[in-house]
Amino acid sequence: EAGVAQSPRYKIIEKRQSVAFWCNPISGHATLYWYQQILGQGPKLLIQFQNNGVVDDSQLPKDRFSAERLKGVDSTLKIQPAKLEDSAVYLCASRPSMNTEAFFGQGTRLTVV
Amino acid sequence: QKEVEQDPGPLSVPEGAIVSLNCTYSNSAFQYFMWYRQYSRKGPELLMYTYSSGNKEDGRFTAQVDKSSKYISLFIRDSQPSDSATYLCAMSESGNQFYFGTGTSLTVIP
Repeated sequence: EAGVAQSPRYKIIEKRQSVAFWCNPISGHATLYWYQQILGQGPKLLIQFQNNGVVDDSQLPKDRFSAERLKGVDSTLKIQPAKLEDSAVYLCASRPSMNTEAFFGQGTRLTVV
Repeated sequence: QKEVEQDPGPLSVPEGAIVSLNCTYSNSAFQYFMWYRQYSRKGPELLMYTYSSGNKEDGRFTAQVDKSSKYISLFIRDSQPSDSATYLCAMSESGNQFYFGTGTSLTVIP
């Protein structure tokens, strides 16, 4: 079974630039998460999708972050404009349904300089 | 106060030792408890997934949940250098949104 795919693996941008990350979840997984993991911290939920609908985006900084999941499959997370404090690993995870385990991708490491 | 507290370590043990990793939490509604292992520059990988209180064993790994004390543990027996990683605990009320600890960095010395 193929895992959660994310791209790019690494990205370096200057502050105030924009950046986008892509996630392809495991086939058939209805729930998709984006997490932000700052160095030395645990993952923090940014947004949760159920199919193509948003379940929880309460911790998403909506003035600069946006995410979409068209057709309930792939998802993109965008940051515009980026700040230095956005430097982190952005993890995508998916699960087939509630009360099942979540599988993580390898993450995209973003460095904002 | 954070929802989930975890000692960041680092923890260093000799090969073959028994390792104990712990998390405490404040939300008594948490029912789902997980342990993830995260190697450097990799995504978290699920090790153990338990519901409610009790113990669960899988090979060298044992997860314990004590809801009365709001305390969970992961024990690793016969630790190996390949166990060197960061261990994250995670918890959920409904099995939907997960709250992660900060992770404990473990090094097993050959």
